[in-house]
Amino acid sequence: DTGVSQDPRHKITKRGQNVTFRCDPISEHNRLYWYRQTLGQGPEFLTYFQNEAQLEKSRLLSDRFSAERPKGSFSTLEIQRTEQGDSAMYLCASSLLRPGSGANVLTFGAGSRLTVL
Amino acid sequence: GQQLNQSPQSMFIQEGEDVSMNCTSSSIFNTWLWYKQDPGEGPVLLIALYKAGELTSNGRLTAQFGITRKDSFLNISASIPSDVGIYFCAGQLRDRAARQLTFGSGTQLTVLP
Repeated sequence: DTGVSQDPRHKITKRGQNVTFRCDPISEHNRLYWYRQTLGQGPEFLTYFQNEAQLEKSRLLSDRFSAERPKGSFSTLEIQRTEQGDSAMYLCASSLLRPGSGANVLTFGAGSRLTVL
Repeated sequence: GQQLNQSPQSMFIQEGEDVSMNCTSSSIFNTWLWYKQDPGEGPVLLIALYKAGELTSNGRLTAQFGITRKDSFLNISASIPSDVGIYFCAGQLRDRAARQLTFGSGTQLTVLP
């Protein structure tokens, strides 16, 4: 297992363009999370999936953002009509949460850094 | 929402010195985790703490879950150059279905030779 993979690692785009990031979680993990991290800050929760179901979205996830996990494996995060304020590192994490378990340890990928010009 | 205050914001230490950083919260957490992030990479888990008062070590790292459940600290003993990076605390609530992590703003550690 190679851990959580994210692609692309870097993306530079012009304002108004659409971008899509892909995340491949650890294969046996049932949960997948997306976080956003801006310079000098800790990661901030955006949304998560339990298998293929998207169960929660934070207020940070505006209407221009959409995430999918169609077969409960890889996930995509699309940003439409990008704005300069979308420039950030987008981190994906996965975990295996068993019913009744007290532990939900997230394993993060290396992130996709977005720069909007 | 929950806020995590992490301090210090940055530290410059000599190689071989011990380091201590801490995290406080306005509300309780059930789980505290400490991550390290290198430039251009994602956070990597260092230590996870699951109950109040727990003291856990991982090599030269030691972390404790405060008894009030609103704080945690991380100590690094005998620092070495590869300890350089940003250290994040993160809290988690078991009664939140998402079980997402709430992160502090990080402590930037620089180790001088």
